[in-house]
Parts: sequence; structure tokens; C-alpha cells
Amino acid sequence: AQKVTQAQTEISVVEKEDVTLDCVYETRDTTYYLFWYKQPPSGELVFLIRRNSFDEQNEISGRYSWNFQKSTSSFNFTITASQVVDSAVYFCALSELYSGGGADGLTFGKGTHLIIQP
Amino acid sequence: DAGVTQSPTHLIKTRGQQVTLRCSPKSGHDTVSWYQQALGQGPQFIFQYYEEEERQRGNFPDRFSGHQFPNYSSELNVNALLLGDSALYLCASSLVRGAADTQYFGPGTRLTVL
Repeated sequence: AQKVTQAQTEISVVEKEDVTLDCVYETRDTTYYLFWYKQPPSGELVFLIRRNSFDEQNEISGRYSWNFQKSTSSFNFTITASQVVDSAVYFCALSELYSGGGADGLTFGKGTHLIIQP
Repeated sequence: DAGVTQSPTHLIKTRGQQVTLRCSPKSGHDTVSWYQQALGQGPQFIFQYYEEEERQRGNFPDRFSGHQFPNYSSELNVNALLLGDSALYLCASSLVRGAADTQYFGPGTRLTVL
């Protein structure tokens, strides 16, 4: 069975600090996909990144960066020089491929509530 | 380019009633998935529709059913509502079912069961 753990329930930092959100996953498949989504107070989930299990390259997009390590089953997300607008709930999610060739529905962690104080 | 849309935005029902939620996928997308998000929790997968058929289902009872129309839009129906069905219901669409394509989410429908 697949599982995603986000151990940090809530993180509060002061603006301009760097912050890392942890994500640990469990899966028996060799082919899977990992995602990060942002959920602002409005409720809509905003896609941030998708990474497949064969691509362990770290990725940077502006102030956002992601560190994927298969050896520790982790897919951590770092925000550099945080801003108040980064305040939201962030979800890590996992999707496996099933025998019919389609992808499973996403399995989400419980989310990390990030608070950026001015 | 219109994103995923859902209606209604909010809904209040009483126990035992039935409810229908609607979703229009992002332009060009043919696969629709539904999720339930209880307060303070991550979304949980209900089911996925592709080519007008339910292709996958999460751990939800038969009270939860759905439909996909030829234009790819979808409905989620919940019968015999329970207090525990109160949640944000999210619809997501994707382009290519078999390639684990990114799912894009709508704004959700907040259902309150009294």
C-alpha cells in the first residue's frame, strides 16, 4: 500500500527565512510519481511540481527547490527567502501505475501549514 | 484557457438527503477524478472517470457514485448523506490517463451536512 507522511503539521518562520518541508513516502512499485501542491486559504489546490521515480535530479524554480532521494524515500521542498504570499498548506502526493496502464488516484499526505510572518 | 470549474460553491444538506456535485474539466482534458477533503486533512481519492466509465475507485462506499458525460464533464452523487460526509469535494482533470499526467484541481464544493 502506498503512503505519504508529512511529519511537520505547522511551520512558522519570519519573512526572508529559508524553510524546508519534509515528505516521506512508501510504495512497493518501481514506477511512481511524486507531486507537490499548494493550497491557499481559498481552497484550490495549485500544482507545483511532478517528479517520476526514474528522475532523481533536483529541481529549482525561482525560490522553490525540490530534493528527491530514493535512498531515503524522501521528496523535500525548500522555499528560499520566504514571502508572506507563500503562506498556505502544502501537500505532498504519490501516484503509482497499476496493471491496466493507468495511474492510481493521488495519495496525499496530511499537509504542512506554512505561516510566513512579516 | 479555462481551468477546472465546479458547481455549486457551497451546499447545505440534511442527513439522509442526496446531493449532486458537478465538474467541468480543463479544456482538452478527458479524465476526471474526485477527491474528498475533510477539515485539516489531505484529500482522499474517491474515483476516476475516463471514457464515461469509472476506472478506479478509492475506499469509499457505494453511496458515492458518479457519471461522466460525452463532453468529459462529470457528476458526483452522494446518497443517504451522513454528518461525516461534510467536507470539501475537489474535482481534478488530467490529459492522458495512462501516463500519470498531472491532475489540475478545481476550487471545490464545500458540502455541509446538518
